[in-house]
Amino acid sequence: QQQVKQSPQSLIVQKGGISIINCAYENTAFDYFPWYQQFPGKGPALLIAIRPDVSEKKEGRFTISFNKSAKQFSLHIMDSQPGDSATYFCAASENDYKLSFGAGTTVTVRA
Amino acid sequence: DTGVSQDPRHKITKRGQNVTFRCDPISEHNRLYWYRQTLGQGPEFLTYFQNEAQLEKSRLLSDRFSAERPKGSFSTLEIQRTEQGDSAMYLCASSFKYGGENTEAFFGQGTRLTVV
Repeated sequence: QQQVKQSPQSLIVQKGGISIINCAYENTAFDYFPWYQQFPGKGPALLIAIRPDVSEKKEGRFTISFNKSAKQFSLHIMDSQPGDSATYFCAASENDYKLSFGAGTTVTVRA
Repeated sequence: DTGVSQDPRHKITKRGQNVTFRCDPISEHNRLYWYRQTLGQGPEFLTYFQNEAQLEKSRLLSDRFSAERPKGSFSTLEIQRTEQGDSAMYLCASSFKYGGENTEAFFGQGTRLTVV
């Protein structure tokens, strides 16, 4: 049973556009929500993370929006670049240990 | 130490054979995790160590799977009598948590297992 549901499965965006990926969870005990970026043949790498005491976190071109009441969070990639083409996973954990991952979103940025 | 190291990167084995993978975590990281990732899916938690103690095992970890972390340093994951369904990427991650201090989980590049 997947504890974190992620959508869309894939998206294509033009260079300079905005990519938006959404995730939803049910377990209200989750207290840490990271996003990972994964390139083919590589392990996931942490991109940005948020805790439920804030509603938004921005790091460079990447922003997480968090809605605790709706149990949803999303990743926005601004000014998308071809180098951003990768698979993105949302995840959630309780007490900072094992991560429950979404199924992933493959982002393709067209030049 | 530049990160989590996994060996081998790729392994092809015949069905029924045993395989063993190794993970070297980031130095001083006391937590070590194993995940399995199949094509087109997110990683799924398999098991977790705090120092040398294995504290949790997922139901995904059948009796054919065993993991160890002797002396709280490197870890090994062994799969006995491999089946085609075991074909996946096996990812290791490590983190540090002590009291209020905590780091993110860093992942290795994984071991790609193909069972033929």
